[in-house]
Amino acid sequence: AQSVTQLGSHVSVSEGALVLLRCNYSSSVPPYLFWYVQYPNQGLQLLLKYTTGATLVKGINGFEAEFKKSETSFHLTKPSAHMSDAAEYFCAVTDNGNQFYFGTGTSLTVIP
Amino acid sequence: GAGVSQSPRYKVTKRGQDVTLRCDPISSHATLYWYQQALGQGPEFLTYFNYEAQPDKSGLPSDRFSAERPEGSISTLTIQRTEQRDSAMYRCASSLDGQSQETQYFGPGTRLLVL
Repeated sequence: AQSVTQLGSHVSVSEGALVLLRCNYSSSVPPYLFWYVQYPNQGLQLLLKYTTGATLVKGINGFEAEFKKSETSFHLTKPSAHMSDAAEYFCAVTDNGNQFYFGTGTSLTVIP
Repeated sequence: GAGVSQSPRYKVTKRGQDVTLRCDPISSHATLYWYQQALGQGPEFLTYFNYEAQPDKSGLPSDRFSAERPEGSISTLTIQRTEQRDSAMYRCASSLDGQSQETQYFGPGTRLLVL
């Protein structure tokens, strides 16, 4: 069975500060890992994904995430927060591309 | 089409009524997914299709829920005898061929409220 845990349902950062959104997963097989962002009244958009290869993955809008197998983590970071980053972020895992398991989401607030 | 579309965007119904939600995926995409997202939660897998085949419907909460994709394109999700606990956002997504690394493209969702 697979599951995703996102620590912190709400995160607030100042504009220009580091963004760190945490994601831990459990999977019995090597996982594929994703981060999605959801803006109000819109569908989820893919930020980045890890499939194979390099464990540091770069995505859109300056976000990146590192797959750490030993820690079963896939935390999302951005060096400098922008007001437009305010949104809800979801981490997801799959092992077969058919059933995706999402975390409960982290709402990011950026303080001017 | 250019993206995944869903209709209606909002649906209010009375307990006991049947509702049908529609998803129109990206035209070249073979795989289509349905998710249920309760308030404050992440999307939960309901079922998926490869073209018209439905290999996995293990996520459907009860036999009141059913989904179809008869021609391998548009899909419908039907909830019979709706209950208040069915109130949620229902999200549809499509991907090119359902491989693990393929990106899912999500529609805007249908928000269902059962009174």
